[in-house]
Amino acid sequence: EVQLVESGGGLVQPGGSLRLSCAGSGFTFNSYWMYWVRQAPGKGLVWVSRMNSDGSITNYADSVKGRFTISRDNAKNTLYLRMNSLTVEDTAVYYCVRGRYCSSPTSCHTPFDYWGQGTLVTISS
Amino acid sequence: DIVMTQSPDSLAVSLGERATINCKSSQSVLYSSNNKNYLAWYQQKPGQPPKLLISWASTRESGVPDRFSGSGSGTDFTLTISSLQAEDVAVYHCQQYYSTSFTFGPGTKVDIK
Repeated sequence: EVQLVESGGGLVQPGGSLRLSCAGSGFTFNSYWMYWVRQAPGKGLVWVSRMNSDGSITNYADSVKGRFTISRDNAKNTLYLRMNSLTVEDTAVYYCVRGRYCSSPTSCHTPFDYWGQGTLVTISS
Repeated sequence: DIVMTQSPDSLAVSLGERATINCKSSQSVLYSSNNKNYLAWYQQKPGQPPKLLISWASTRESGVPDRFSGSGSGTDFTLTISSLQAEDVAVYHCQQYYSTSFTFGPGTKVDIK
């Protein structure tokens, strides 16, 4: 059974930093592109970032570019999101998401087939 | 970025009746080289993460009841629940995965009338 378990959320002051982790199990982690998607309270879903299977390619939403860094440790089956210079607009539930398998290590456009339960990040003074 | 819109924002349907949700993209998500629409539908129940229902605009995921169907091409898409059940109360999101912005629609809330 595919499982994605996020951790690391919490309350942080504006300007602060946080690192989210996502432990994957039940699938060959190092074969999949992985994503972060967030959802502000009562709002819609917003894609944040993604990383290819071997960690050589990353993409970011404009709203987080330069502040957030995605990474992965395939030996530990874990995805990370380092978040710096946090603002109140970053308050959201952050979901770790697996992209449906695609064979290309350089380009992937597939639906998001498994989602973690999410971890809440609250930015407030 | 491709902008996704959905209509209506919410709808209430009687049990056993049809529910129809529309999704529109600001540019085509049909990739001409493989004739596939890069459009997905997700169901999100209260307090839960989204669940993939339909991919490629009309391909139902394994285990998804056949009362759920997707249709459309290019820029206009529809999710239909043919006979609404109590367990279908949720917010439904469309998403394009054609471009790297992976944008979602704002969601449509479905309730029982």
